[in-house]
Formats: sequence, structure tokens, C-alpha cells
Amino acid sequence: DAKTTQPPSMDCAEGRAANLPCNHSTISGNEYVYWYRQIHSQGPQYIIHGLKNNETNEMASLIITEDRKSSTLILPHATLRDTAVYYCIVRVRNNNDMRFGAGTRLTVKP
Amino acid sequence: NAGVMQNPRHLVRRRGQEARLRCSPMKGHSHVYWYRQLPEEGLKFMVYLQKENIIDESGMPKERFSAEFPKEGPSILRIQQVVRGDSAAYFCASSPQGGDEKLFFGSGTQLSVL
Repeated sequence: DAKTTQPPSMDCAEGRAANLPCNHSTISGNEYVYWYRQIHSQGPQYIIHGLKNNETNEMASLIITEDRKSSTLILPHATLRDTAVYYCIVRVRNNNDMRFGAGTRLTVKP
Repeated sequence: NAGVMQNPRHLVRRRGQEARLRCSPMKGHSHVYWYRQLPEEGLKFMVYLQKENIIDESGMPKERFSAEFPKEGPSILRIQQVVRGDSAAYFCASSPQGGDEKLFFGSGTQLSVL
């Protein structure tokens, strides 16, 4: 019972913006959208999260549609070190249920 | 401030042996989560623990697997009588309080069952 849908893979040119989409059409009003990434053989790394407003931090920007049924993670200037699997997760805050799907494998190419 | 420490990094066991995986959470964190990742798959939640308590073990197989987080010392994930299907990467994460938005993950333990 996947709550999110992501493309299995994407490519991006080094220095360009990487836009990773995520569909979460059944999201509930109290569920947040979280993004993590996993670089090969390492543990997942938190990137960003949001509820309904767009969010930005030093790593990325998160754009959530007005109906909250989809979102996009933006890496503004992708580098080779951004090559990783990116996971989009919907989760009720203060809930232990951080469930990872298959994610999107982003490959940044020189 | 050291991150989440997992050891060993790699563990090789023969079928039928026991595997013990250790996780020391970040300083000040009292909540620990264990995940399993099979090759080419996403992470699967196994268990969530606070100090001395199991809060949610809905992702843990009913047999052979157990987890603890004692008052003193690291959290332990124990797998008895390992089988080849247990071969996977096991990741531990910690947070300062339950449900906090940021989980901090360790580098994982790669278990190989021969």
C-alpha cells in the first residue's frame, strides 16, 4: 500500500537543477512530505520536509502543489556527489511510521 | 558530536548461527529505529524502541528476531539461527524524541549468511 509514487530513475547534468517528482494523491491533511536520500552503501540522509508551504534549506527546495497531491524536490545545482536514491515519504508528524518506498535513483552526469 | 554508530560494519555468519548487531544512538537520543534493506530494494521498517521499551515491532519477523535497548549500552538487534534470506543491510536510526522529523541514520551493518 504505497503512499507515494516516484519514477524509478532520472538523469541530470552536472551544474543543472535536478527536479524530482513525487505523487501522493491520497495524502491526508495531517501528513507531512519528507525527503531523504541514500548514497550508495551509506545510511539515508534527511534532506527536507514540509506540510503545505514550499520549503527551502541549504540542501534543497521542496515545492508542494496547492492540492498537496504531488511535490517536487529541487536540487538547484546538482553535483556528482548528489548521485543517490531519493525517497519521498508521507508521514504523520510525531508518528513512528517512516516508511521508505523504492525511491528515484538520480544519476548526475558530467 | 559523534553520529549514530553501528558495528560491526560487516558480519559474516553461517546458517544456524546467531547474529548480533549493535547500534549506539547519537548523544542525547533516546529513540532508536531498525530498518532492513535487501539488495536493490528500499528500506523496510522493523522496530522502534525507547530506552528499555519496545514501542512498535510491527515490521519485525515473529520468529528468530529480537531487539532491545537497555538502560545502559547500545541497542541490539539479534537474529537467531540465521538463514540465507537474512542477508541484508541493517540500518539503525535515532532521534531525540519519538516522531521527530529528522531521523539520523548509521552507516549500517552488512550481514552475509553463508
